[in-house]
Amino acid sequence: QKEVEQNSGPLSVPEGAIASLNCTYSDRVSQSFFWYRQYSGKSPELIMSIYSNGDKEDGRFTAQLNKASQYVSLLIRDSQPSDSATYLCAVRASGNQFYFGTGTSLTVIP
Amino acid sequence: DAGITQSPRHKVTETGTPVTLRCHQTENHRYMYWYRQDPGHGLRLIHYSYGVKDTDKGEVSDGYSVSRSKTEDFLLTLESATSSQTSVYFCAISAGGREVNEQFFGPGTRLTVL
Repeated sequence: QKEVEQNSGPLSVPEGAIASLNCTYSDRVSQSFFWYRQYSGKSPELIMSIYSNGDKEDGRFTAQLNKASQYVSLLIRDSQPSDSATYLCAVRASGNQFYFGTGTSLTVIP
Repeated sequence: DAGITQSPRHKVTETGTPVTLRCHQTENHRYMYWYRQDPGHGLRLIHYSYGVKDTDKGEVSDGYSVSRSKTEDFLLTLESATSSQTSVYFCAISAGGREVNEQFFGPGTRLTVL
């Protein structure tokens, strides 16, 4: 069983603040990591993918990967109320299988 | 949006009846997946396919079967539905490969077994 652990939250931040979401994984051979956003009643939407150690930035989102520590994080800068959702961390393992954490619920307070 | 559709989108059925959910993709991706999502458990893999007629079990495959006779279609069958199979079911696709191998989800099917 490949384990993916997320801080379960819920996490609340004021509008304009930085939201920090964290994820750890157990499978050392995993090479691909993903963050999904899921609004209530909707399907998961891919927002970031990262494959190499370090930071990857896309607009207000930054994904950070540290394979030695088996840790991946997502930072959301200038948080907006529209960012309120559940964020899922996912890891791609061998056989092209993907394993998901249970999600972190984020609320951005206006 | 990735070209993934699921049907039906909602279904209510009774215990013991067979149910088939359909996933259709227009992306010609090699990999297709069925997940269920339940509160407190996140997304759990039921079955997946890595090509036409090539399928394998996931972590919660008991009570489910799948078939893939065409690249674009992946069917999930509950042979005899039970109340524990009440859930939201998501289909997903992935191109596979060593580099870019992102996974995209369909809109989901909400299944209620009475």
